[in-house]
Amino acid sequence: EDQVTQSPEALRLQEGESSSLNCSYTVSGLRGLFWYRQDPGKGPEFLFTLYSAGEEKEKERLKATLTKKESFLHITAPKPEDSATYLCAVQANTGFQKLVFGTGTRLLVSP
Amino acid sequence: EPEVTQTPSHQVTQMGQEVILRCVPISNHLYFYWYRQILGQKVEFLVSFYNNEISEKSEIFDDQFSVERPDGSNFTLKIRSTKLEDSAMYFCASSEEGSSYNSPLHFGNGTRLTVT
Repeated sequence: EDQVTQSPEALRLQEGESSSLNCSYTVSGLRGLFWYRQDPGKGPEFLFTLYSAGEEKEKERLKATLTKKESFLHITAPKPEDSATYLCAVQANTGFQKLVFGTGTRLLVSP
Repeated sequence: EPEVTQTPSHQVTQMGQEVILRCVPISNHLYFYWYRQILGQKVEFLVSFYNNEISEKSEIFDDQFSVERPDGSNFTLKIRSTKLEDSAMYFCASSEEGSSYNSPLHFGNGTRLTVT
């Protein structure tokens, strides 16, 4: 069964304090790994797709990386507006219509 | 930027009643999805829909659930006889292509369903 585990569950940072979120996965052939941001009461907002080990994607203060077993979302010099829940999801080669999500990391950035 | 629109934002219903959740996907998208998120739990896949038929469904999507694209713009999820455990946030999503290569899912802001 495809599984995604995210850590930590919650993370509190001071503005400017860089850190990383982890997403470990087991999947029967990875088609893609996705990072989404979710604000309270809203739907997931797409951030990145990663397809193969070694791939990296960047957007503003966020950088996502991928290995064969896990992905990291690095947040550099975060701002309070980066506060949100960050979700990781995988898509397998079989049943490729479906995303399997982790429970997310709740990030709070204090001024 | 185009977005997925869901209505209503909050629906309260009594156990055993039927509900229809509505979604307007992004206009040039061809694949449509329903996911749900029970409070405090993971976002879970329910069903995907393409070319007017279900292309994949999860074990959660049993006979009490159905989906329909009644016209060229709307996509609906019907729950025939609601149970207390159906209380959740239901998200509609759409994508240009099904494989998601350069075609990520775009989610709406959800309908919060409360079954009493």
